[in-house]
Amino acid sequence: GEDVEQSLFLSVREGDSSVINCTYTDSSSTYLYWYKQEPGAGLQLLTYIFSNMDMKQDQRLTVLLNKKDKHLSLRIADTQTGDSAIYFCAASGGYNKLIFGAGTRLAVHP
Amino acid sequence: NAGVTQTPKFQVLKTGQSMTLQCAQDMNHNSMYWYRQDPGMGLRLIYYSASEGTTDKGEVPNGYNVSRLNKREFSLRLESAAPSQTSVYFCASRYVRGSNQPQHFGDGTRLSIL
Repeated sequence: GEDVEQSLFLSVREGDSSVINCTYTDSSSTYLYWYKQEPGAGLQLLTYIFSNMDMKQDQRLTVLLNKKDKHLSLRIADTQTGDSAIYFCAASGGYNKLIFGAGTRLAVHP
Repeated sequence: NAGVTQTPKFQVLKTGQSMTLQCAQDMNHNSMYWYRQDPGMGLRLIYYSASEGTTDKGEVPNGYNVSRLNKREFSLRLESAAPSQTSVYFCASRYVRGSNQPQHFGDGTRLSIL
């Protein structure tokens, strides 16, 4: 079935770049999303990319898509302590549905 | 601008009790969703409603029922709660016009079944 996989943890130093990786199985996924979840809160949409694009940049965020390998990454430049959160990758899984990865917990330390 | 509102935020139940989780959105979205979030498993779709008057099962529907009361409201009911239903429940909504409209999430209901 459709699946989305992410590594569970990432630790970076403040000011460094963070790269969170994601792989998905459904080659028909039209849109791929990155959501951020802070403690005790819901999911906040960060950015998304259409499947016919290979890169999207939005301020400190860069999304790279390798459609051939079904690999998606989120790069956060100049990572700050406020970026500490869980980041979810999600792939559109047919009309009206999203398939979520398990989430990557990003810890930013001084 | 409230967005997606879930009530209650926290609840503790005993095994066998029933409970309805409420969700309302004020964005005039036509599709609504219920997910559960468990550690290390991401979000799993329980039920969804593509439009007012329709509901469909998601990945993990067993033990749950839903009602799309009107365009704004979508409730999730546990008829006989079990400890395996201890989780964080999220409601989401989306305006369906093409496929690039993202889902918007509420802040969740933290449910513990003893």
